[in-house]
Amino acid sequence: ELKVEQNPLFLSMQEGKNYTIYCNYSTTSDRLYWYRQDPGKSLESLFVLLSNGAVKQEGRLMASLDTKARLSTLHITAAVHDLSATYFCAVLLYYGGSQGNLIFGKGTKLSVKP
Amino acid sequence: DTEVTQTPKHLVMGMTNKKSLKCEQHMGHRAMYWYKQKAKKPPELMFVYSYEKLSINESVPSRFSPECPNSSLLNLHLHALQPEDSALYLCASSQASGGTYEQYFGPGTRLTVT
Repeated sequence: ELKVEQNPLFLSMQEGKNYTIYCNYSTTSDRLYWYRQDPGKSLESLFVLLSNGAVKQEGRLMASLDTKARLSTLHITAAVHDLSATYFCAVLLYYGGSQGNLIFGKGTKLSVKP
Repeated sequence: DTEVTQTPKHLVMGMTNKKSLKCEQHMGHRAMYWYKQKAKKPPELMFVYSYEKLSINESVPSRFSPECPNSSLLNLHLHALQPEDSALYLCASSQASGGTYEQYFGPGTRLTVT
């Protein structure tokens, strides 16, 4: 059974500070996704990481994937209030060679305060 | 066009009602998904359709009945729901073979069962 663990589950940051969210998963997968969800809203895709060593950056967010360690990180640089949201990582569990199922972590609720 | 649309946005129904949720995408994706999300929890997979055929049913009660009339449409028929079924229902779509398998989520239907 594929398990995905995120930590921390809650993160209160000051504006301008840096922090990292960690996503560990229990079995082999080469596809990992990060989503953002604002309260009462749907999931917005942030990053798709497809191979070992993949690194992607968008604005103040940078995501990386280490498939050997089964670890992905989402690094926040110089946080601003607009980044306040819940962030989910999700790992793809394949079924029979075709499309798979996303297994989500519990999410990290980020609150950025002035 | 990377949009998945869902109707209605909000739905209030009694336990004896029959209603349907609708999802549509025009990205040419051949995999479509229904998720249920309770407050402060990650999305939980309910059903997966691949090439218009039901490929995954995550032990969902029969009061939820999915339907995929064609490659662009996905419905979820609701009947005799319970108050604990109140949640945000999310539809998503992705490629069914090859590619990133990135799932694109619709805005969701907020369901309240009274």
